[in-house]
Amino acid sequence: AQSVSQHNHHVILSEAASLELGCNYSYGGTVNLFWYVQYPGQHLQLLLKYFSGDPLVKGIKGFEAEFIKSKFSFNLRKPSVQWSDTAEYFCAVNPFGSQGNLIFGKGTKLSVKP
Amino acid sequence: DSGVTQTPKHLITATGQRVTLRCSPRSGDLSVYWYQQSLDQGLQFLIQYYNGEERAKGNILERFSAQQFPDLHSELNLSSLELGDSALYFCASSVLSTGETQYFGPGTRLLVL
Repeated sequence: AQSVSQHNHHVILSEAASLELGCNYSYGGTVNLFWYVQYPGQHLQLLLKYFSGDPLVKGIKGFEAEFIKSKFSFNLRKPSVQWSDTAEYFCAVNPFGSQGNLIFGKGTKLSVKP
Repeated sequence: DSGVTQTPKHLITATGQRVTLRCSPRSGDLSVYWYQQSLDQGLQFLIQYYNGEERAKGNILERFSAQQFPDLHSELNLSSLELGDSALYFCASSVLSTGETQYFGPGTRLLVL
């Protein structure tokens, strides 16, 4: 079955530290890839997405992600985190050609210390 | 604000009961998706409707059912509720039925006592 793995359950960083959250998926074909963020008590918001083209995609709030097809990975990065980035981050995959439902990873909780 | 609305925000009920969760998609979106978020299972896809028709089914229990009405709003019906059904239920919508960005609503938090 298709699955998405997020390796880090909880990441704790100080402000201004760099962030990289890992995401790997298991599906051999073409995929659409997403990162969503869920701030405490709020709903899921789209950070960025990759459908095709340049494998380095930029999203909102200074986030970016790189799609590496050979590694089945779509890691999320931010050069310098802020306290307001404290949230839970979800990687999601939609296999191309399937219906639109997303397969989510378990999420990574990010805590940024001021 | 994503434009997707869900009611109610919170729901507390007892085991064995039945509840209905409601979702209104963004204006112009034809697809509605339902997801369940729980601590142990994470975010799980339940079911998708597109323009009134069921398009995809995920890990949805037989006690759960959904429908999408002509005005495109959707309802998720949960019956014979069990303690383990306590979770956050999200609705999402997109314009078409495949390969698009989904916009999520604020969710309905269900507590079964």
